Amino acid sequence: GQQLNQSPQSMFIQEGEDVSMNCTSSSIFNTWLWYKQDPGEGPVLLIALYKAGELTSNGRLTAQFGITRKDSFLNISASIPSDVGIYFCAGGGSGGSNYKLTFGKGTLLTVNP
Amino acid sequence: DAGVTQSPTHLIKTRGQHVTLRCSPISGHKSVSWYQQVLGQGPQFIFQYYEKEERGRGNFPDRFSARQFPNYSSELNVNALLLGDSALYLCASSPGHIQETQYFGPGTRLLVL
Repeated sequence: GQQLNQSPQSMFIQEGEDVSMNCTSSSIFNTWLWYKQDPGEGPVLLIALYKAGELTSNGRLTAQFGITRKDSFLNISASIPSDVGIYFCAGGGSGGSNYKLTFGKGTLLTVNP
Repeated sequence: DAGVTQSPTHLIKTRGQHVTLRCSPISGHKSVSWYQQVLGQGPQFIFQYYEKEERGRGNFPDRFSARQFPNYSSELNVNALLLGDSALYLCASSPGHIQETQYFGPGTRLLVL
């Protein structure tokens, strides 16, 4: 099935560093969502974006909905060990398929204390 | 408030068997979606149900079926299991069925031997 292009695939950083990851698509989406998934758990919603150009923050997390509606990025500032996990982007409402989310392959984040 | 709940948490089956997975959405949510997540990939959309009707279907064979009950809980059924059906099966709920933010449950880990 279709998946979004998410990069980087993995990141290994030191505690306190900032992190940036992004997601691109050949299709336009009406909604962009960012999730975090810990091993053996379901994805947990971090940030939801509903409007092109929208910039939204949730604590140390900031995400933007690209103006072309084909991309989004997520920034994490001052990383801490509990930020470790897999981060997924997901696009919704593409091509009349209003009912489903299309996911990227994920970015594995490792934080060295 | 309780989040999305799924049962069972883990399941081991053999090829050719049938399996039923269950999901209860967040209270007040009327839409349930099912996703399959294989190791190393993002979730792939299987079905969405809203008000007991199928509203969308992903690219999965007819061995996969689902239904939604009057209390909005849902079942996912998979017949004639194959080794490749081994995955984490995720249920997500949302208030409606269009461009709504989806909240995921912890998943059911299915292993087919």
